[in-house]
Formats: sequence, structure tokens, C-alpha cells
Amino acid sequence: EIVLTQSPGTLSLSPGERATLSCRASQTLSSNAAWYQQKPGQAPRLLTYGTSSRAPGVPDRFSGSGSGADFTLTIAGLEPEDFAVYYCQHLGSAVTWTFGPGTKVEI
Amino acid sequence: QLQLRESGPGLVKPSETLSLACSVSGGSISSSPTTYYWAWIRQPPGKGLEWIGSIHSGGNTYYSSSLRSRVAISVDSSKNQFTLTLTSVTAADTATYYCARQTWTSVGFFDSWGQGTLVNVSS
Repeated sequence: EIVLTQSPGTLSLSPGERATLSCRASQTLSSNAAWYQQKPGQAPRLLTYGTSSRAPGVPDRFSGSGSGADFTLTIAGLEPEDFAVYYCQHLGSAVTWTFGPGTKVEI
Repeated sequence: QLQLRESGPGLVKPSETLSLACSVSGGSISSSPTTYYWAWIRQPPGKGLEWIGSIHSGGNTYYSSSLRSRVAISVDSSKNQFTLTLTSVTAADTATYYCARQTWTSVGFFDSWGQGTLVNVSS
């Protein structure tokens, strides 16, 4: 089974700064990952998927990219509402799915 | 707009069976294209997300290897809902359980989620 590792565990930044979140797969069955945002007490929300697609309604400051087994979520200019936990998601095997442990973006 | 809502008991005793339903509105489970599956995902308090399993309206199911011996997911097209059954629960099964729609392309992402329901396993 594929294991996802996210780094850093916590990212301390200020509004307006750029956030770069990393996700590495122990092996890969696809060249991309999906990314989710979760705020306290809320369900996760899909942000990006595929090579560089954003879910409907997601601001264009969020962008996903990937190369081999390494995937990146970039937030270009943090807004106050962006402080949350972010999870990457990938195939766990041919027909299972797995999430990374999460990165907390805090002020 | 697609909406999903979980329902079921918030408290289950150890060794018993956990059963949850996910009601779907704003779209039909039974007429969903082959690209759509319906999934259960859980999150223990203060921890990360764990995929439990996915089902297509045609009956194809896929389960987490760690839960496969205890889990079953089924679809009730007449009620436009799908259900999760988890047997022989322990305290480790205490979590918020989410239902979600899964798009079966790319890496199989989850694009619509229910609000989640907290299930405590305790005597």
C-alpha cells in the first residue's frame, strides 16, 4: 500500500505570505494528487485534483502540481480564511485510496 | 446542488454493529455515471482522514484492507441512499464518519461531502 507523507506538519505564516505544502508518496500509481482543506468542525473541502484543476468555487490562489511521487499545494498569498489543515490524497493501491496525515497552516 | 447527509446512532457499544446511512439529494445515485462512486471516510477525534470503502450504484464495492473483514457498504436506490455497516466495533472505531461522492477519474477524488456524524463506541 502507498503511504503519503506530508511536510511540514505545521506551517506558521502571516496573511499575504505564500504557502508551499508538500506531499510525498512511497510509490506512485499516478502523477497527481488531490488536496483538501478542513477547518475545525467542518467536513473536508476539495481544493485541487488532476494535473492542475481546481474544484468549482476555489479561488485561483490555490494551485496543485506534481512530479513523480512528489506533490505540492501552493497558496499564493494567504487570506485569513485559509488558516486550516490541508490533506493530500492519492491512490493507496489499484483500487484503494489514502490520505496524508495533514499539514496545519497557522498564523 | 448535490447534498449528502449522514444519519445513525451516535453511540454504539463495543462488540456491536455500527450502521450509518447517507441520504443523497440533488442527484440520483442509481443514474450516476460510471465515473461516480459513493464513499465512506472516517476521522478519529484530533486525527486524520481514513478511507473506509466505496460503492457504485451497479454494486461494485472496494474496501480498505484494514477494515475489509468487518465492513460492508450497500446501496438502496429506492431511498437514494447508501449505507455503511461495521461489525465488532471497538473504541478504536470512535470517529466522525463522512459520506462523500467520489469521482472515479484521476486519483479518484472526493468532491462532495456530508457534514459528518460523530459515533462514539462506549459501554
